Amino acid sequence: QQQVKQSPQSLIVQKGGISIINCAYENTAFDYFPWYQQFPGKGPALLIAIRPDVSEKKEGRFTISFNKSAKQFSLHIMDSQPGDSATYFCAARGKSTFGDGTTLTVKP
Amino acid sequence: DTEVTQTPKHLVMGMTNKKSLKCEQHMGHRAMYWYKQKAKKPPELMFVYSYEKLSINESVPSRFSPECPNSSLLNLHLHALQPEDSALYLCASSHEREWQYEQYFGPGTRLTVT
Repeated sequence: QQQVKQSPQSLIVQKGGISIINCAYENTAFDYFPWYQQFPGKGPALLIAIRPDVSEKKEGRFTISFNKSAKQFSLHIMDSQPGDSATYFCAARGKSTFGDGTTLTVKP
Repeated sequence: DTEVTQTPKHLVMGMTNKKSLKCEQHMGHRAMYWYKQKAKKPPELMFVYSYEKLSINESVPSRFSPECPNSSLLNLHLHALQPEDSALYLCASSHEREWQYEQYFGPGTRLTVT
């Protein structure tokens, strides 16, 4: 049973645009929500993470928005660049808690 | 040093072979993980070691045998694999005990079973 649902499955954005990826969870015991970025042939790398006591966290062009009441969180990539083209996974702290992933393509 | 290293990068093995994957970290992490990842899928948890003891086995077939010789090393011994076992095998580590907040992943071993 998948505990974190992610959408969309794929996303195409023009260079300079905003990329938005959404995730929803059910288990209110989750206390840490990371996003991982994975390039082809590489392992996932932690990109940014948030705890449920804050509604937003920003690191450079990457922002997580967190809605505790809706049990949803999202990743926003501002000024998207071709180098951001990768697969993004949302997750929650615990086993078997990765989303299915979103393949982001940023067109030049 | 925030690096998890894995060797080999690529491995091709026949169904009757025995091989091993190796993972190493020097961050002082006491939890280490093996994941299997198929193309266009999220990582799928296989095993978790906490303080060098196996704490989670996600019903993985016995042809996969993990080993944690010390706090820095994690091995995955492979024997009599099937073609459907072909995948990217990822090692990860985190602080102190399983499911500590940040997991650091290695680059993976691309395994092909022929």
